[in-house]
Amino acid sequence: QQQVRQSPQSLTVWEGGTTVLTCSYEDSTFNYFPWYQQFPGEGPALLISILSVSDKKEDGRFTTFFNKREKKLSLHIIDSQPGDSATYFCAASYTNAYKVIFGKGTHLHVLP
Amino acid sequence: GPKVLQIPSHQIIDMGQMVTLNCDPVSNHLYFYWYKQILGQQMEFLVNFYNGKVMEKSKLFKDQFSVERPDGSYFTLKIQPTALEDSAVYFCASSHRDRERLFFGHGTKLSVL
Repeated sequence: QQQVRQSPQSLTVWEGGTTVLTCSYEDSTFNYFPWYQQFPGEGPALLISILSVSDKKEDGRFTTFFNKREKKLSLHIIDSQPGDSATYFCAASYTNAYKVIFGKGTHLHVLP
Repeated sequence: GPKVLQIPSHQIIDMGQMVTLNCDPVSNHLYFYWYKQILGQQMEFLVNFYNGKVMEKSKLFKDQFSVERPDGSYFTLKIQPTALEDSAVYFCASSHRDRERLFFGHGTKLSVL
């Protein structure tokens, strides 16, 4: 049973373009949604996160949107750069949880 | 920034042997985690350890698995005995508060032959 679903599985964009990654979840108790970025040979690193009380959070070129009614999130990367090429994980957790549940990830390739 | 160190980076063992994966978490962190990743795919939660106890574990955390952090030293994952399906990259993570920003190590690639 997949609690956090991500799409697409893989995505290729041109440098300078806008990348949109999407995520959906099942459990209504989830209230914390981080996005992690992973480069080959490294562990994931927190990129941006949002709480369910918000519908948008921005950090530089990265913006995450949250739709509580539809149980969906998205990550937008504007002016995508080749250095953004990585795997992006949507994740979810809830208050007093002792775990963060990850989706299967989206492999992003940004071509120069 | 804060770093989590994992030792070794790669471990090759025969099926049935015991293996211990070591993790040196961020110094002031209180919560410790192990995740399993196969072929660069989903990060699967294994276990959370806090205040000397396992707080939560998943179905993947089989009876052959154990964790400990004796006297604030390495946080370890022990698998005894190992099985072929245990081959994966194991990531250690730590956080200051539960579910807050997790800091991951670079992983230990475990190959069970």
